[in-house]
Amino acid sequence: DAEITQSPRHKITETGRQVTLACHQTWNHNNMFWYRQDLGHGLRLIHYSYGVQDTNKGEVSDGYSVSRSNTEDLPLTLESAASSQTSVYFCASSYPRGQAFFGQGTRLTVV
Amino acid sequence: AQTVTQSQPEMSVQEAETVTLSCTYDTSESDYYLFWYKQPPSRQMILVIRQEAYKQQNATENRFSVNFQKAAKSFSLKISDSQLGDAAMYFCAYRRGETSGSRLTFGEGTQLTVNP
Repeated sequence: DAEITQSPRHKITETGRQVTLACHQTWNHNNMFWYRQDLGHGLRLIHYSYGVQDTNKGEVSDGYSVSRSNTEDLPLTLESAASSQTSVYFCASSYPRGQAFFGQGTRLTVV
Repeated sequence: AQTVTQSQPEMSVQEAETVTLSCTYDTSESDYYLFWYKQPPSRQMILVIRQEAYKQQNATENRFSVNFQKAAKSFSLKISDSQLGDAAMYFCAYRRGETSGSRLTFGEGTQLTVNP
């Protein structure tokens, strides 16, 4: 069965370190997204991609970057982790105008 | 920019009773979609129901139904015969009907408790 997986599920890192969260989907979806979830804010869009070599900034992109070298993967990098980036991160994928499928989420704690 | 507002941070319902979760949105678009997602403690995001803006008929999925008021920009979720497994965080979400993209804008969420 097709799926979308995130790794790791939990991570603790120190302030200032570079962190990469992985997202891999086997749906063959062109569209992929990264959201962060914080209490009182719901999910907010960080970055998104509509295909290989395409990346776009979302609502809360400062301090984050993504790259899309193939259809299956969209890794999210925190260049220099900050305590404000402690959150739960969700990756999602979809066909254009199609239903979004979400990964299981990654809980990141920056200490 | 589109915004989605859920004004009820927490709601509770007795098992077997009916509960309605509120959602309002703001957009200047005419082609869009609205969704309700359920997030249980496992963190998994589960699509509950979807409504196309061009459809006047309210969507239903078993015990879940919506009241879509396009002019008022309101999109409430009604859960009938509530079950313990319905306890979760519920998110209302909006998506433009553009051909290429499918970015979602989420509300703040409503935490639903089901009391036995």
